[in-house]
Amino acid sequence: AQSVTQLGSHVSVSEGALVLLRCNYSSSVPPYLFWYVQYPNQGLQLLLKYTSAATLVKGINGFEAEFKKSETSFHLTKPSAHMSDAAEYFCAVTNNNAGNMLTFGGGTRLMVKP
Amino acid sequence: DAGVIQSPRHEVTEMGQEVTLRCKPISGHDYLFWYRQTMMRGLELLIYFNNNVPIDDSGMPEDRFSAKMPNASFSTLKIQPSEPRDSAVYFCASIISPQGASEAFFGQGTRLTVV
Repeated sequence: AQSVTQLGSHVSVSEGALVLLRCNYSSSVPPYLFWYVQYPNQGLQLLLKYTSAATLVKGINGFEAEFKKSETSFHLTKPSAHMSDAAEYFCAVTNNNAGNMLTFGGGTRLMVKP
Repeated sequence: DAGVIQSPRHEVTEMGQEVTLRCKPISGHDYLFWYRQTMMRGLELLIYFNNNVPIDDSGMPEDRFSAKMPNASFSTLKIQPSEPRDSAVYFCASIISPQGASEAFFGQGTRLTVV
């Protein structure tokens, strides 16, 4: 069984401020973890993924996430928010027993204030 | 490749009518997923296929929903009869093996409104 919890359905930051979006997962076997971004009226696009190599994963648009097994977390960060980062962000988990089936969190809507 | 292609982008229909949503996965991808997105429930997996065979349809909400994948390049999701509570954005996604760490590519979705 696997599940994802995203703390905070809405996060608001000022332009230039740190972005921190939280994700905690549950998986009965070693997980693969993903962050996707969804812009208005668009499908989901991959930001980054963790595949059991380096625990700090760098993605597109300056985002990165760190896998912490002891905390079962995979939080997404960006040092300096840009207006174009305003979107909805989804954390997702799968594992080798799940047949490529992704389980998504509830999503976090990021708002960036000028 | 043009990515995952869904049609139509928008569909407005009356309650009781049959609705068919279409998806063309990326060529060579062997997994196809149908998701539904609503404000209340977020992203829900409805059904997924591997090599055109349905693997898990436990997310399909009712018998009114059915999905087929007659070949590797085409899938449909049908709702018959449709109800207002089916209003949502329906996404199709495809993945290529190997297992586990493959990126899912999403279509742009079909926004369904049932009035």
